[in-house]
Amino acid sequence: GNSVTQMEGPVTLSEEAFLTINCTYTATGYPSLFWYVQYPGEGLQLLLKATKADDKGSNKGFEATYRKETTSFHLEKGSVQVSDSAVYFCALSERQGAQKLVFGQGTRLTINP
Amino acid sequence: ETGVTQTPRHLVMGMTNKKSLKCEQHLGHNAMYWYKQSAKKPLELMFVYSLEERVENNSVPSRFSPECPNSSHLFLHLHTLQPEDSALYLCASSQDEGPHGYTFGSGTRLTVV
Repeated sequence: GNSVTQMEGPVTLSEEAFLTINCTYTATGYPSLFWYVQYPGEGLQLLLKATKADDKGSNKGFEATYRKETTSFHLEKGSVQVSDSAVYFCALSERQGAQKLVFGQGTRLTINP
Repeated sequence: ETGVTQTPRHLVMGMTNKKSLKCEQHLGHNAMYWYKQSAKKPLELMFVYSLEERVENNSVPSRFSPECPNSSHLFLHLHTLQPEDSALYLCASSQDEGPHGYTFGSGTRLTVV
């Protein structure tokens, strides 16, 4: 079946550091790919998405490019802030009747001032 | 009000109690979902409703009983729960057509004592 694998956390960085959170997937067909973010005490929020190969999703300084050849969708940000501290989830969509998202295990990110 | 709203935000219940979690969406979506999020475990998809019909039930124990009376409302009825059922329960909705991803509620933090 389809699956998503994220880099193990937790990840701790200093403010203004460069961030990469790796995400690879296994899927049949051509899924759409997503990054969600979960701040403490909240549900998940859609951060960005890409629907086909070579698409780049971007939002709030975060970017991820859909790489079909490497089955990857790594999340990057050039300069992180303390407010970026959260748990980040990579996900892919599969359609078996209703749209269904398959999530990675999540990566906890902590940014120190 | 827009978005996905879950009530209550926090719930403490005894193992012999019966309670219900409520989810409302005002986005015009036609699919709704229940997820369970436990500490140090991946997100677990519990139930999927599409056009008010249950389309997926991922081997969830019968002490969890979903109900979807219309496309805007989703309930999760709880009875005789176990302490290991303590978790964050997340509701989400989506538009079945197109790779839009999900919109999540803030969740209900459930503690079973």
